[in-house]
Amino acid sequence: DAGVTQSPTHLIKTRGQQVTLRCSPKSGHDTVSWYQQALGQGPQFIFQYYEEEERQRGNFPDRFSGHQFPNYSSELNVNALLLGDSALYLCASSLSAGPGGQYFGPGTRLTVL
Amino acid sequence: AQSVTQLDSHVSVSEGTPVLLRCNYSSSYSPSLFWYVQHPNKGLQLLLKYTSAATLVKGINGFEAEFKKSETSFHLTKPSAHMSDAAEYFCVVSDKTSYDKVIFGPGTSLSVIP
Repeated sequence: DAGVTQSPTHLIKTRGQQVTLRCSPKSGHDTVSWYQQALGQGPQFIFQYYEEEERQRGNFPDRFSGHQFPNYSSELNVNALLLGDSALYLCASSLSAGPGGQYFGPGTRLTVL
Repeated sequence: AQSVTQLDSHVSVSEGTPVLLRCNYSSSYSPSLFWYVQHPNKGLQLLLKYTSAATLVKGINGFEAEFKKSETSFHLTKPSAHMSDAAEYFCVVSDKTSYDKVIFGPGTSLSVIP
């Protein structure tokens, strides 16, 4: 079992550009959540996808959007990048009908210059 | 609304001595509670979880936590610290009635002195 995988591991973009991050959930999991972790802080919830729809969302602007595919993998898209979007982006997967607990991927480090 | 408070931003212990990382939570419903560990430049690893079964929860690497509803606490302990325990620890609360939306605490950085 490969666990949760994310790509790419690192990414450098400039202000105003757009970026797409990818996540494959742990085998058997059907729910994917995305988090932003700024340096020295705890992860902040961005949104969660289940059955290919956004089920809930944190306090992030519409520049942040996502998608879930039929195989449960997911993408996070960020438009019009700002310097403040520089962070570690974490993907977590879980089983909707399970007892709780999310399994995290290693993250994608995004640097906006 | 849910929230998590980790009472210490940094804890330093000597190798072989006990570890105590404190966490208090606020939740409108019966919560699920978790502890995650994050080593430098690594992702988050689930240490243990409480989901309304036994109040004393045992996790990996010798860690355990006790759910105390009256005190709204979920402190993480380990009898004897190891150098490899040095990392950032996050207490997390989630509410099954809101589809596992989770709230992270600010984290506690654990240093282990040889």
